[in-house]
Amino acid sequence: DTGVSQDPRHKITKRGQNVTFRCDPISEHNRLYWYRQTLGQGPEFLTYFQNEAQLEKSRLLSDRFSAERPKGSFSTLEIQRTEQGDSAMYLCASSLDSQAEQYFGPGTRLTVT
Amino acid sequence: AQTVTQSQPEMSVQEAETVTLSCTYDTSESDYYLFWYKQPPSRQMILVIRQEAYKQQNATENRFSVNFQKAAKSFSLKISDSQLGDAAMYFCAYRTNYGGATNKLIFGTGTLLAVQP
Repeated sequence: DTGVSQDPRHKITKRGQNVTFRCDPISEHNRLYWYRQTLGQGPEFLTYFQNEAQLEKSRLLSDRFSAERPKGSFSTLEIQRTEQGDSAMYLCASSLDSQAEQYFGPGTRLTVT
Repeated sequence: AQTVTQSQPEMSVQEAETVTLSCTYDTSESDYYLFWYKQPPSRQMILVIRQEAYKQQNATENRFSVNFQKAAKSFSLKISDSQLGDAAMYFCAYRTNYGGATNKLIFGTGTLLAVQP
């Protein structure tokens, strides 16, 4: 069990560019969550997968955001046409159905210049 | 909708002393979980302690304990014998326990804890 991993850890991009982040959950975990954390705030829920199905999306997830979890393993979060307001830490977490707690990855810090 | 409030943006404690971090929440549900997560600087978030709403007994994990007051919707974290490694941002979080729900976490804004040597 190597924990939740995320790649890249840091991403600097220019406004208008597309970026993609990857999350690898703990291997047997069927639930996967994406959160966004801005400076001085707690994480906010973005979207949730149970296996490969995306079951909930927050209103925070505009149409420029898309997430996938093919085959119920790793997940990707893509942001198209990035804006400065997208600058944040993007956190991934995973859990089992039987678990109450979620296990977090180290996050991807996005800076849009 | 559920909300979580942490009214202490920053706290400070002397090494070896005890500190209590406050958290209140609002919900109309009766079955839920509450958590305290720790986020050290530039490091990932880790679970400190959890409390199930239907359990009256307060959770304890080594030097960490909670005071869960369900009627008052209060969930404070007590850190005893504070250590330098306890310095971090602490987040209180809520999660419903209704079947079929997303079970997403709802976080407070955090309390930054400094530990003075």
